[in-house]
Amino acid sequence: AQSVTQLDSQVPVFEEAPVELRCNYSSSVSVYLFWYVQYPNQGLQLLLKYLSGSTLVESINGFEAEFNKSQTSFHLRKPSVHISDTAEYFCAVSENTGGFKTIFGAGTRLFVKA
Amino acid sequence: EAGVVQSPRYKIIEKKQPVAFWCNPISGHNTLYWYLQNLGQGPELLIRYENEEAVDDSQLPKDRFSAERLKGVDSTLKIQPAELGDSAVYLCASSFGSGGTDTQYFGPGTRLTVL
Repeated sequence: AQSVTQLDSQVPVFEEAPVELRCNYSSSVSVYLFWYVQYPNQGLQLLLKYLSGSTLVESINGFEAEFNKSQTSFHLRKPSVHISDTAEYFCAVSENTGGFKTIFGAGTRLFVKA
Repeated sequence: EAGVVQSPRYKIIEKKQPVAFWCNPISGHNTLYWYLQNLGQGPELLIRYENEEAVDDSQLPKDRFSAERLKGVDSTLKIQPAELGDSAVYLCASSFGSGGTDTQYFGPGTRLTVL
């Protein structure tokens, strides 16, 4: 059965520090991987996604994630966070089980402190 | 371009009462999703439509939940009767296609409180 595990429910970090939000998944077939972000009082929106090709994908606001097939991970990183990065981050996995289904992790709340 | 619209944003009802949520997806998006999000959890799929056809409703509790997407555009999700455990945020999302590579666009959600 497919599952997505976000290992940290909350990550507090100081502004300008690096951060890594961890995501592991279980699947027996090829998958597509996503990170969605939910800013306070807003809906979820796509941050970045891995479909194929280079295992390192980047977002426009400095986040990056690397697909590691052997470790079934898709960790999200940013070398220097801003206050405005405070949000909840959801890792999601889509696999073909006779029709695609997307499974979301429980989310990681990133709190950036001044 | 307008995003996914949901109404109401908040709803408080007594248990055993009916409730309905409405969603208008992004224009041109063929696939529409209803998700349930409990506090501290990620979204869980209730039902997925491709145009007006429900192609995945395996997680929809059909004894009390129903949904429709007439004409393949906007959609309504209904609960009758509501139970205390139904208190959650109900999210609607849409995507252009139905493949696993498609980005889903989410509405702001409806927060339901059942008393």
